[in-house]
Parts: sequence; C-alpha cells; structure tokens
Amino acid sequence: GNSVTQMEGPVTLSEEAFLTINCTYTATGYPSLFWYVQYPGEGLQLLLKATKADDKGSNKGFEATYRKETTSFHLEKGSVQVSDSAVYFCALDPGNKLTFGGGTRVLVKP
Amino acid sequence: NAGVTQTPKFRVLKTGQSMTLLCAQDMNHEYMYWYRQDPGMGLRLIHYSVGEGTTAKGEVPDGYNVSRLKKQNFLLGLESAAPSQTSVYFCASSFDTSGKGYEQFFGPGTRLTVL
Repeated sequence: GNSVTQMEGPVTLSEEAFLTINCTYTATGYPSLFWYVQYPGEGLQLLLKATKADDKGSNKGFEATYRKETTSFHLEKGSVQVSDSAVYFCALDPGNKLTFGGGTRVLVKP
Repeated sequence: NAGVTQTPKFRVLKTGQSMTLLCAQDMNHEYMYWYRQDPGMGLRLIHYSVGEGTTAKGEVPDGYNVSRLKKQNFLLGLESAAPSQTSVYFCASSFDTSGKGYEQFFGPGTRLTVL
C-alpha cells in the first residue's frame, strides 16, 4: 500500500536558520506529492506540490524536489522566520485520495 | 467566498450519544473528504465522496456514516460515540482528484471529545 514517512519532531530552530524536513514515500506508479502546513488552531493549507519526477515545488521561500530514484520529497527553507512555526505534513496521491505522513512540528525561536 | 466551513467547532459527547458534523463548501467542488487527526498519526481518511449522492469508505470508516445529499454539503455521523473517537475532524474539498495535482481545501476543524 501507499505510505509516507517523515521525520519526527519537534524541530526547534533559531530565526534565520536553515530548515530541512525529510519525507520519503512508498507508492506504486507516479503519485503527486504535496506539502501541507497547519498553523496553530487552523486547518491544513497547501504549501507546495509536484506532480512528476524532477519537478520542484516552491512557495513562500520553501522548496521541495520530487526525487523518484530515492522516493523522497524533502522540504527546505534557507532562512526561517518565527511565523514559520507550524506543523508540516508530507502527502502523496496516486490518483484518488491523499495519504499523509505523521507531521513534523517546527518551532522557530527569535 | 467562505471556502470550507465546519459546524460545530467544539463538542463534548458522552459514550453512546450520537451527533452529526456538517461540512459546507462554496467552491462548487465535486470531491469532498472527512479526515480525523490524532497526535503523531497525521490525518487519516474516514469517508469521501466523488459527487452528489455518492460516498465511499476511506482508511478508518468504522463507527461513522456519511451522506452527500447536496453537492455543497457533506455530513459525518456518529451513531454511538466511543472514547476512541475523540479526535479533531477535518473536512476537505477539491475540484478533482488530487492525483492530477489539484489541491484539497480544508476546513478549520471540529474538536470532539467523547467521555
């Protein structure tokens, strides 16, 4: 079956530090890959996505590249801000519904 | 344009009680979903619908029922609540299947506690 594994948190960083959240997946075929973000007390919202191998998704300074050879979709940001404190979810969709990873809580301190 | 709304925002039930969670979307989306979020487990799909009058089981459907009588509404029912159903419930909708890259739009969630 399909599954998504992402690093456990919490990840605590200082402002302007580099952030990486690892995500690997297991799926048949060529799923679309997503990163969703959940700010405190809110629902999830799409951060970025990639629909085929070698695609790079980017938004708000975050980037992730669809690596089929390593079945990975790691999220990166070069300089985090306090406002980036949230829970980040990696997800895949092979064609009809999303499968989420367990989420990674990120806390950015000033 | 309100997006996806959920009613109620909070609810406390006693074991064995029933309730219905309402999800509404104003984006004319075909697809709607119900998830539950538990600590460390991400979101798990309970039921989903690919159009008005249709429903299908997701990953964890036991103990829940759903209905999609109108395109804009998707109801989640608990007939006899159990403490294991204590969770945060999210509704989502999308224009088409996410496998084509369409994003899902999420509501703000309903926090349910079953005593």
